[in-house]
Amino acid sequence: DVQLQESGPGLVKPSQSLSLTCTVTGYSITSDYAWNWIRQFPGNKLEWMGYISYSGSTSYNPSLKSRISITRDTSKNQFFLQLNSVTTEDTATYYCARRGITTGAMDYWGQGTSVTVSS
Amino acid sequence: DIVMTQSQKFMSTSVGDRVSVTCKASQNVGTNVAWYQQKPGQSPKALIYSASYRYSGVPDRFTGSGSGTDFTLTISNVQSEDLAEYFCQQYNSYPLTFGAGTKLELK
Repeated sequence: DVQLQESGPGLVKPSQSLSLTCTVTGYSITSDYAWNWIRQFPGNKLEWMGYISYSGSTSYNPSLKSRISITRDTSKNQFFLQLNSVTTEDTATYYCARRGITTGAMDYWGQGTSVTVSS
Repeated sequence: DIVMTQSQKFMSTSVGDRVSVTCKASQNVGTNVAWYQQKPGQSPKALIYSASYRYSGVPDRFTGSGSGTDFTLTISNVQSEDLAEYFCQQYNSYPLTFGAGTKLELK
């Protein structure tokens, strides 16, 4: 069965970088699909952040401008989120999710990791 | 960006009822819409893709419909385990965007 698991620090200081890892088991991230990061703010608003495709191409939400980078380590079947210059507005639960290239919907999600930005 | 509007933040229902959750897109998205269910403390679960196709394992009391700008998720014979928050999402164009969610509650 396909499983995704987020990991990373739960607390980040303002102006620093947020780095998260999504470890995928049960499916190779180089076989197919787009591998996404989504965050959910307090109050439950969901924001799509970006993806890295099975081929390694990336796409980001323009709202995050040049702060975001999504990379991968194919040998470990992991992909990563880096968000620079964080503020308290980046406090959220961060999810990784698999999205079908043709269906467009996120069919598998990680359990989420809560990140608080605070000094 | 395409705005997905779920005008009802809360909906009250009873077990056995039929309830419809609506979602309106700010521009034509064809049938490129998905629906998710989220229970407290859990990640969202995909229910519907391409506006009307159920994912494997999703009970057939969940039905999606619509195209263009207006979409509906209908739950027939509501069960207690259906009490959750429901989100729509468009994938017609980037950035992908979600509705604000509709919470289904017991009357």
